[in-house]
Amino acid sequence: QLQLQESGPGLVKPSETLSLTCTVSGGSISSSSYYWGWIRQPPGKGLEWIGSIYYSGSTYYNPSLKSRVTISVDTSKNQFSLKLSSVTAADTAVYYCASIPIAAAGVVGFDPWGQGTLVTVSS
Amino acid sequence: VIWMTQSPSLLSASTGDRVTISCRMSQGISSYLAWYQQKPGKAPELLIYAASTLQSGVPSRFSGSGSGTDFTLTISCLQSEDFATYYCQQYYSFPWTFGQGTKVEIK
Repeated sequence: QLQLQESGPGLVKPSETLSLTCTVSGGSISSSSYYWGWIRQPPGKGLEWIGSIYYSGSTYYNPSLKSRVTISVDTSKNQFSLKLSSVTAADTAVYYCASIPIAAAGVVGFDPWGQGTLVTVSS
Repeated sequence: VIWMTQSPSLLSASTGDRVTISCRMSQGISSYLAWYQQKPGKAPELLIYAASTLQSGVPSRFSGSGSGTDFTLTISCLQSEDFATYYCQQYYSFPWTFGQGTKVEIK
């Protein structure tokens, strides 16, 4: 059973870089059967896809964040990471990592999700 | 960008009711649509993918239908544990996008 767990600072200062790591257990991040992704949810609001990565390193970013986002994978640690630069208060949100299974007909959505981690941007 | 209109934003219902939630796309997405359930303080959980395929372990009272631009999530007989917020999500093209959410509350 695949499990994901986010980790990283809960407080980031404005203009600095938000860095989070997602540790995958119960399966290999190098599996060809998954993409991996980051999603965020501002307090009391809806969900926003940030970006996704394949174990080969291929990345796909939301254009609204693309200039500030980097997603990478570390196969030796079975982890993938998110970096979001030049943060502002608008980046305050619960950040989720998730796997994206690939079936015969293509991807099937985000499943499962990590529990999420709240990141607050404040001085 | 594919825009999604999810309705209603709030739905008041009673246990045992049949409820439907709609998700309309700004352009056709074939059947590349998923539905999620989110309870307060928890991560979303996948209910349905490919518009109508029930994820393993999800009760059969949940069903999804539609293709192209119009999709529906139906809960046939609302249970107490179903009071939550529901989101649709398209994965037809990047950027993947979510609907605004529908909160199902106790009437």
